[in-house]
Amino acid sequence: EAQVTQNPRYLITVTGKKLTVTCSQNMNHEYMSWYRQDPGLGLRQIYYSMNVEVTDKGDVPEGYKVSRKEKRNFPLILESPSPNQTSLYFCASSPTPGQALGAQHFGDGTRLSIL
Amino acid sequence: DQQVKQNSPSLSVQEGRISILNCDYTNSMFDYFLWYKKYPAEGPTFLISISSIKDKNEDGRFTVFLNKSAKHLSLHIVPSQPGDSAVYFCAATTLNFNKFYFGSGTKLNVKP
Repeated sequence: EAQVTQNPRYLITVTGKKLTVTCSQNMNHEYMSWYRQDPGLGLRQIYYSMNVEVTDKGDVPEGYKVSRKEKRNFPLILESPSPNQTSLYFCASSPTPGQALGAQHFGDGTRLSIL
Repeated sequence: DQQVKQNSPSLSVQEGRISILNCDYTNSMFDYFLWYKKYPAEGPTFLISISSIKDKNEDGRFTVFLNKSAKHLSLHIVPSQPGDSAVYFCAATTLNFNKFYFGSGTKLNVKP
């Protein structure tokens, strides 16, 4: 089954404790991206990766890092989480840019609570 | 400042009637517009898209209209069904298909 898998689905942690949210896709997609969803703000793009060699900032990259060492995986790293990063996070992927005309496949989300 | 806006947080429609969801954008560089549907505890799923060179795109019960001069797009669902009850997000991107901008979503409730 074609899917984007995020782990963990839920996490409660404390300020300053490094965490990683993993994202893996099995569709051989080139493009991957991370979003956060907050009430009243919709989805905002954190980072995206056009392919294994290209990664760039989205609209709200502060406090986040990403890594794209292989095509299928795109982990989101919070080196020193803070309470304002409490949010619902989504990973998404799509084929070669333009091929799907922007349509992305999304994971089911990771709810992070940072105390 | 949000470049894509959905000004109606919610919409309630009777089953069988038309649902019209609206979206406005500010950036004239946007070339593609997309609608996603999201159920609780799931990720958004792609619904329909439209290129800036078109003014209408239809897929079954779903039609998206684009008015470039007004920087406005709308999603029409006809006829509406209870299973259409979800949050709908509009999104926009340029021809680079790298950065995507989403609206805040409209929660549609279709009453049986």
